[in-house]
Amino acid sequence: EVQLVESGGGLVQPGASLKLSCVASGFTFSDYWMSWVRQTPGKTMEWIGDIKYDGSYTNYAPSLKNRFTISRDNAKSTLYLQMSNVRSEDTATYYCTRDMNPGYFDYWGQGVMVTVSS
Amino acid sequence: DIQMTQSPASLSASLGETVTIECRASEDIYNGLAWYQQKPGKSPQLLIYNANSLHTGVPSRFSGSGSGTQYSLKINSLQSEDVASYFCQQYYDYPWTFGGGTKLELK
Repeated sequence: EVQLVESGGGLVQPGASLKLSCVASGFTFSDYWMSWVRQTPGKTMEWIGDIKYDGSYTNYAPSLKNRFTISRDNAKSTLYLQMSNVRSEDTATYYCTRDMNPGYFDYWGQGVMVTVSS
Repeated sequence: DIQMTQSPASLSASLGETVTIECRASEDIYNGLAWYQQKPGKSPQLLIYNANSLHTGVPSRFSGSGSGTQYSLKINSLQSEDVASYFCQQYYDYPWTFGGGTKLELK
């Protein structure tokens, strides 16, 4: 059974940094592109970026490229999202997803909430 | 970025009814479109990919169609478990983008 389990969320102050993790199981992690997607409290969905199966290439939403970094450790079957200089508008539920092609997302984690507030 | 305009934003329908949700792209996305269902308090789940391919395990009452810039999701014979929000997503060109969602409720 495919499982994606995110962690690392919580309350963070504006301007701070935060690193989210996603542990994958039930499939060969190193065979798949992976993405991060977030959903705002108003339910708007936003793709953050993806990473190639070997970690050699990443793509990002242009609006987030300068502050967010995606990485992976295939030996640990773990995907990461490093968030820096966070803002109130980064308040959202963050999902780890398994990508097909890449392009669409056939499995999603349960999500982790990040709240940016002083 | 490719803009995805989804309609309606909310929808109320009766059990057994057929429901259609539309998604319009700001440019041709060549069938690079997926549909997701998100039940209250849960993560999204893939329903349809490549505009009209049913994901494994998804009931056959769900179907996708369309081409170019216009796509639709149809739910035949609405069931109570279909109460959810539905999102379209294009993956023809980076950055991948989502529609604004459709909240489906029972009448």
